[in-house]
Formats: sequence, C-alpha cells, structure tokens
Amino acid sequence: GQQVMQIPQYQHVQEGEDFTTYCNSSTTLSNIQWYKQRPGGHPVFLIQLVKSGEVKKQKRLTFQFGEAKKNSSLHITATQTTDVGTYFCAGRASGSARQLTFGSGTQLTVLP
Amino acid sequence: KAGVTQTPRYLIKTRGQQVTLSCSPISGHRSVSWYQQTPGQGLQFLFEYFSETQRNKGNFPGRFSGRQFSNSRSEMNVSTLELGDSALYLCASSLSLAGTDTQYFGPGTRLTVL
Repeated sequence: GQQVMQIPQYQHVQEGEDFTTYCNSSTTLSNIQWYKQRPGGHPVFLIQLVKSGEVKKQKRLTFQFGEAKKNSSLHITATQTTDVGTYFCAGRASGSARQLTFGSGTQLTVLP
Repeated sequence: KAGVTQTPRYLIKTRGQQVTLSCSPISGHRSVSWYQQTPGQGLQFLFEYFSETQRNKGNFPGRFSGRQFSNSRSEMNVSTLELGDSALYLCASSLSLAGTDTQYFGPGTRLTVL
C-alpha cells in the first residue's frame, strides 16, 4: 500500500534558525496537505499543494511539491517559539483511491 | 461555525471491554474519517464514511467498526479491547469525498486500556 515517509522525526533548533521537514511518498500523489499539531492539540490544516512543482508561501513558511509529485517539503524561516509542534504531511495517491495517508511527522522544538 | 466535536474526551477501560466513541462533524460536512494516533505509529487511518456508507477502510482488525447517521454524525466502536488500543482517536470531517477537500480534526478521544 501507499507509504509516506517523513524526515527528520525530531528537530531541535535555536529560535531564529531555519527548519525544514521532508516528505516522500512511495507512489505518485494527486495532492499533498500539511498539518500542524501543537502539543496536546489536534492536527490543524496548513495548506494543500496540487500541481507538480508548486510552491506556496505563508509568511515564514514555504511549501514545495516535487516535480514528480512524490515528495514535498516545508521550510520555516527564522523559527519562533510559536512554531513548536509536530508537522505532518498527508498525501492522496493518484487514481481512484482517496484515502489520506499521513507521514510520521516531524516534532519541532524551538529553544528560546 | 462550530468545529468538530468528539465525546467523550477521555475514557478508561479494561481489557476485554468494548467502547463507543462519537463524532459530530462541522455543520454541512458529509464526510467523516477516523484516525488512531499513537506515539509509535503516528496517525493511522481507520475508516471514512460518507452518506452513511463506509467508503474506505484502513488496515485494522474487525474489532474496529463504525457507522454514520443520516445527520452525518459518526460513531466508532472497538470491541474486546486490548492494551495496544490505548491511543488518541481523532475524527476529521470534510465537505465531501472530493480529493482536494480539507480535513478538519476534532480534539480527539484519549482512550486508555488497563
């Protein structure tokens, strides 16, 4: 079945440093979504990428979808303590299946 | 608009018992998905319902079942609980079955099996 791998599993950064998490799918994706889960909270939708090579920005966050639609990345510039949480990618395989498969997540800790 | 609600928020059961969790989607949302979240396995897809029909099912044993009512509210049931069923159970609703729909998660039900 479809697998979505996400690295790294954990990342500690000093406040102000940049952070990147990578997502790789075993199959071509029709779209990919990113979610953030704060400690003790539930996943909250951040963004969706649909087109090959698509790049979207939300303030300090930059999301990319690979040309082959099998990988994606999230980059945070100049992290802040409010960025703490676990970031998940979630992809839907191309074709008829629409099950959303989540990556294992990257837990980000920002040290003040 | 009210968000996704889940009840109960916390539950403690013993092995062998069964449990029913409830999820009320955002008003107007017709699709409800369930996920199990554990520290070791991340977010694992359980099943998805739309118009009272199960549309997708993950790789979980038959002890895990669910249903959806005509008002889109959904319940999931776990029978013969095992220690490994301890987890956060998340429900997510979306407008339809469209592949580009966003999923809105509820706060989850924290199940502890003793």
